[in-house]
Amino acid sequence: AQSVSQHNHHVILSEAASLELGCNYSYGGTVNLFWYVQYPGQHLQLLLKYFSGDPLVKGIKGFEAEFIKSKFSFNLRKPSVQWSDTAEYFCAGSGNTGKLIFGQGTTLQVKP
Amino acid sequence: DVKVTQSSRYLVKRTGEKVFLECVQDMDHENMFWYRQDPGLGLRLIYFSYDVKMKEKGDIPEGYSVSREKKERFSLILESASTNQTSMYLCASSLRGGGYTFGSGTRLTVV
Repeated sequence: AQSVSQHNHHVILSEAASLELGCNYSYGGTVNLFWYVQYPGQHLQLLLKYFSGDPLVKGIKGFEAEFIKSKFSFNLRKPSVQWSDTAEYFCAGSGNTGKLIFGQGTTLQVKP
Repeated sequence: DVKVTQSSRYLVKRTGEKVFLECVQDMDHENMFWYRQDPGLGLRLIYFSYDVKMKEKGDIPEGYSVSREKKERFSLILESASTNQTSMYLCASSLRGGGYTFGSGTRLTVV
């Protein structure tokens, strides 16, 4: 069955710390992977996506993610977080059917 | 800009009522989706549709049904609302293989 899982449910960091949020997927065949962010009281926003090609994907606001096929992973990274990065982060995947499946989400709290 | 519009931002319904949540997209997208979002559980897919009059169950379809009579509109129906259906409901649309656009959500409270 297709699934996406996120290891960390709640992460607390100080400003300027580096961030890495884990995401693993289970799909047969082609997979497209996404990271979304939801700031408090706001809509989901797309941070970045991977369809094919270069496995290192750069997104908005200084985020990047690396697709590692051998590890079935698509971890999100940012070298230096800011207080404004406090939000909930969702990893998601879709296969050939186009059905988009989400992980459980990770709440990131950045302390000033 | 693609727009996905959900008819209500907040809704309060009584247990046992039939509830309709409406979603309209304006970009001729083939695919439409309904999710519910609950703390600690992420977004869970209820139903999706690839085309008019076509529907597929997602991961948690029990207690819900859907209707897609026109390409731009995808309705979620709670046949008999229960308190465990209190949640945030999100609609999304996409082209086949393309990016997804989400509505702003409907926060439903069942009392």
